[in-house]
Amino acid sequence: QSALTQPASVSGSPGQSITISCTGTSSDVGGYNYVSWYQQHPGKAPKLMIYEVSDRPSGVSNRFSGSKSGNTASLTISGLQAEDEADYYCSSYTSSSTNVFGTGTKVTVL
Amino acid sequence: EVQLLESGGGLVQPGGSLRLSCAASGFTFSSYAMSWVRQAPGKGLEWVSGISGSGGSTFYADSVKGRFTISRDNSKNTLYLQMNSLRVEDTAVYYCAKTYSLYSSSWYGGDYWGQGTLVTVSS
Repeated sequence: QSALTQPASVSGSPGQSITISCTGTSSDVGGYNYVSWYQQHPGKAPKLMIYEVSDRPSGVSNRFSGSKSGNTASLTISGLQAEDEADYYCSSYTSSSTNVFGTGTKVTVL
Repeated sequence: EVQLLESGGGLVQPGGSLRLSCAASGFTFSSYAMSWVRQAPGKGLEWVSGISGSGGSTFYADSVKGRFTISRDNSKNTLYLQMNSLRVEDTAVYYCAKTYSLYSSSWYGGDYWGQGTLVTVSS
């Protein structure tokens, strides 16, 4: 199972909006609504930000939103803040009953 | 409060074995599928293995199939990962993670993660 494809890096100024893409296939992202997004700060465990494409866990800011079109899922961070600087990973359930993560995106707040 | 605490990591030679444990508390352990996810130094996340709440269904990444075995003891609220025939490329921090989906047989994503345990495979 190949990793889902994400851009290596995305940057934006405070207050701006950025979008991170996550491209898979019809056997994972395109075939299921089990796409999740995680935020990971250096040396820390991942934190769930979005699950089932667009749902936010309790406690996660509504500045984070998710969507999906075909084989590509997206995470949008609006009103970018300094604390949003981190690595972001998408993941998807697959037709093999396994899971696959994305390659990861480093978000930089300029 | 949900807590997941991994243990069992360490230094092992190529070809050796190691068993990781993940002690869970703060939720009904048997009602949730669990997974192991690893992260090699400076690299991204890689899903390794998952198990249903009952333990009756197990799933593995191709990279570890036949070498790793996931299991759970619901009476002890503990998840395990038996790792055999270890390779240098298995070197990583190993996280256990609870799925967000109650009663699902598969792990669809993790809402709670442990702090991780480092496994180093080197001669």
